[in-house]
Amino acid sequence: EAGVAQSPRYKIIEKRQSVAFWCNPISGHATLYWYQQILGQGPKLLIQFQNNGVVDDSQLPKDRFSAERLKGVDSTLKIQPAKLEDSAVYLCASSPDSGGAQHFGDGTRLSIL
Amino acid sequence: SQQGEEDPQALSIQEGENATMNCSYKTSINNLQWYRQNSGRGLVHLILIRSNEREKHSGRLRVTLDTSKKSSSLLITASRAADTASYFCATDGGSNYKLTFGKGTLLTVNP
Repeated sequence: EAGVAQSPRYKIIEKRQSVAFWCNPISGHATLYWYQQILGQGPKLLIQFQNNGVVDDSQLPKDRFSAERLKGVDSTLKIQPAKLEDSAVYLCASSPDSGGAQHFGDGTRLSIL
Repeated sequence: SQQGEEDPQALSIQEGENATMNCSYKTSINNLQWYRQNSGRGLVHLILIRSNEREKHSGRLRVTLDTSKKSSSLLITASRAADTASYFCATDGGSNYKLTFGKGTLLTVNP
C-alpha cells in the first residue's frame, strides 16, 4: 500500500510571498487532514476534509490560508501572503474514515526568510 | 490549544531498559492514540485505546488509560536504539473525531 505523498519536501520563501503544498492520500481514504507542526511542538490541526467537504477548519487562519480537496482525492494547502510565524512543517494525513488511526506523510518543511 | 501533555519532555535510557511516558488531558475523550515521529519524518500510529478500555498491548508496547485521572501511559519494553524518536499522545474528544496532540516526549535509547 502506497503511503501519503507530499510535495515539495522543502520550501524556502520570503515573507509576503505565496506558497502551495500538495498531498495525495492513501487510495480510498475518505478523510484528509492538514496539520501545522512548529519546532518542538505537536501537530496542530488546520483543516479536516471528509471526501471533498470541510469538517473542521476552526484553526485555519482564513485570512491567509486556504485549502481545497477537489474530487475528494488529493488536496492543496496555500498560504498567501506568508508571515515569519508560518515557518513550520506542514503535514498531511489520511484515514479511511474519521475516528481511527491516521496515516501521515513526511511533510513539507517551510522556511520563511 | 493542546489538550494532551506528555511527561517527561525528554527521556534517555540504555538499550534493553524499559521506557515509560505519561500523558495527561483535560476533557472527556472518545479515544486516545499514541504516535511516534522519527526526526524529519511524519508521524506513525502506534496504538489506539478507547475510553472504555483500560489496557492494550501491541508487541513491546503497553498502553494504559485511566479516565478518572484523565491520564494514559505508554510503556516500551526492552528498548532498542531504533526506538529513538519523539512520542506523542493525541486525544479525540469531539463529534468530528478531531485529534489534539501534546508536545511529545523525546526518547533517546543509547546503544
